Amino acid sequence: EPEVTQTPSHQVTQMGQEVILRCVPISNHLYFYWYRQILGQKVEFLVSFYNNEISEKSEIFDDQFSVERPDGSNFTLKIRSTKLEDSAMYFCASTSTGSYGYTFGSGTRLTVV
Amino acid sequence: DAKTTQPNSMESNEEEPVHLPCNHSTISGTDYIHWYRQLPSQGPEYVIHGLTSNVNNRMASLAIAEDRKSSTLILHRATLRDAAVYYCILRDATYKYIFGTGTRLKVLA
Repeated sequence: EPEVTQTPSHQVTQMGQEVILRCVPISNHLYFYWYRQILGQKVEFLVSFYNNEISEKSEIFDDQFSVERPDGSNFTLKIRSTKLEDSAMYFCASTSTGSYGYTFGSGTRLTVV
Repeated sequence: DAKTTQPNSMESNEEEPVHLPCNHSTISGTDYIHWYRQLPSQGPEYVIHGLTSNVNNRMASLAIAEDRKSSTLILHRATLRDAAVYYCILRDATYKYIFGTGTRLKVLA
């Protein structure tokens, strides 16, 4: 069964450093998403991306965050200057059409120290 | 964003059916009802979705009330691998999901 692949599975970074989280969505999917889950809390929507632009973003997705689909296969989330409170699991997801369910990746655990 | 209400936790015996309820009294006519589950240390996994009619797939069944203000996810024979947090989510035209706290299902051997 096709999968959404996320790398790395775990990233440790120092506060203030930039990180890039990478995702390879399912190849024929058109809609892409990033969510995050702080330990013990709800899964939170960050951003949706369609047709090479952001469709919607949450209040969490401030100027420190950006997304990119640089080469038609990868979908990245960049955090410019990480804070301690950015520590969380980050999940990428994709879907072929808006009306079907997403496929989520297994996540990247980001630890900011 | 449309809201759903689910019990915090439920228990089931292995090999028995499980009925996970969800209330969504403020659902609008175009909201789809989606169910996901999250196994420990994994990303959410799509289970099933529906609009008005009951739905079946290889994982589960979804029973939707006639007024659409509630729904029930049915696992026909719970296994230990079904222990997870189950989320009932209304998806609107923006296509994003707003996750609640879900129902933590414990399956007893």
